[in-house]
Order: sequence, then C-alpha cells, then structure tokens
Amino acid sequence: EAGVAQSPRYKIIEKRQSVAFWCNPISGHATLYWYQQILGQGPKLLIQFQNNGVVDDSQLPKDRFSAERLKGVDSTLKIQPAKLEDSAVYLCASSETGYSNQPQHFGDGTRLSIL
Amino acid sequence: AQSVTQLDSHVSVSEGTPVLLRCNYSSSYSPSLFWYVQHPNKGLQLLLKYTSAATLVKGINGFEAEFKKSETSFHLTKPSAHMSDAAEYFCVVSDRGNQFYFGTGTSLTVIP
Repeated sequence: EAGVAQSPRYKIIEKRQSVAFWCNPISGHATLYWYQQILGQGPKLLIQFQNNGVVDDSQLPKDRFSAERLKGVDSTLKIQPAKLEDSAVYLCASSETGYSNQPQHFGDGTRLSIL
Repeated sequence: AQSVTQLDSHVSVSEGTPVLLRCNYSSSYSPSLFWYVQHPNKGLQLLLKYTSAATLVKGINGFEAEFKKSETSFHLTKPSAHMSDAAEYFCVVSDRGNQFYFGTGTSLTVIP
C-alpha cells in the first residue's frame, strides 16, 4: 500500500511571500490532517478534514493559512503571506475513518524555511 | 481534558542495553494510545497501538509497551537497543471525541 505522499520536500521563501503544500493521502482514507511541527516540538494540529468537510480548524491561523480538500482526496495547504515564525515542518497524515482507535499514517513532511 | 506527559526529553543508552521511554496520560475515558518514532527528516512512523485489547502490546522492531490503567502509564520498552533506534519518539493519546494529543517527544541516543 502506498503511503501518504507530500510535496515539495523542502521550500525556502522570503517573508511575506506565499507558499503551497500538497498532500495525497492513502487511498480510501476518509480523514486527512495537517500538522505544523516546529523544531524540537511535537506536531500541532492545524486542520482536520473528514472527506471534503472540515472537522477541526480551531488552531489554524485563518488570517494567513488556508486549506482545502475539494474532492475528498488530495489536499493543499497555503500560507499567504508567510511570517518568520511559520518556519517549520508541515506534516500531512491520514486515517481510515478518524476514529480514536485508528492510527494516523504520516507523510515525510515539507520543511519550510522563511528568510 | 486529555493530556500526555513524556517524562524524559532525552534518553541515552548503550547499544545492546534495554530501552525505557516513559509516558503518562490523563483521560476521563478508556483511551487509545500510540507510540510513534520519527527519524531525522522523516514523518512519524507507527510503532504500536493500544486500543482496549491486551494490555501488553507488541510493535515493530522489537518494541513493546504495557498499558497500566492504575498508573495511567504506557511506557515503551525494548530489550536491546540498536544504533538504528536513535530517533525521536512520541506518545499519543486519543479520546472518545476522536481527538489526538501528542506528547512533547523523547530523543533517544544510542551510544556505540
């Protein structure tokens, strides 16, 4: 079974620029998560989708971050404009149903550096 | 509210000696518990999970964990450390609301 695919792996931009990340979850997985992982910390949930609907976006900085999952499969996360504090690894994860007893499967992430 | 505490931010062991990574949780209900490993520049990989079946859970790469409800603990162990075990380890708890709570991580160093 193919894992969660993310691209790009690395991105370097200047502050105030925009950037987008792409995620393709495991086939058939209904739930998709985006996390932000700052160096030396655990992942922080940004947004959770169930199919193409948003379940939880309470920690998403909506003034600059947006995410979509239009057809309930692939997802994109966008930052516009980027700030220095957005430097982090952005991880995408998926699970079959999102139930508490099912593990999340993670991609390798996109490392974002803001200059 | 649910929470996870990983009691050690860094653990160092010699190759071939046992590994113990400690995790305590708080949960109002019977939780599901997971351990993940993260190698440099990689995503999180599932090591094992507890979901209210057997309290001793065996995972990949020789790791296992024991769910102790009375102690609200879910410590990760391995009898003999390998160099390849050097990584960051995360304990995760999920609750009936299907929310997942991550610990702050434990960095494991294996000394040759």
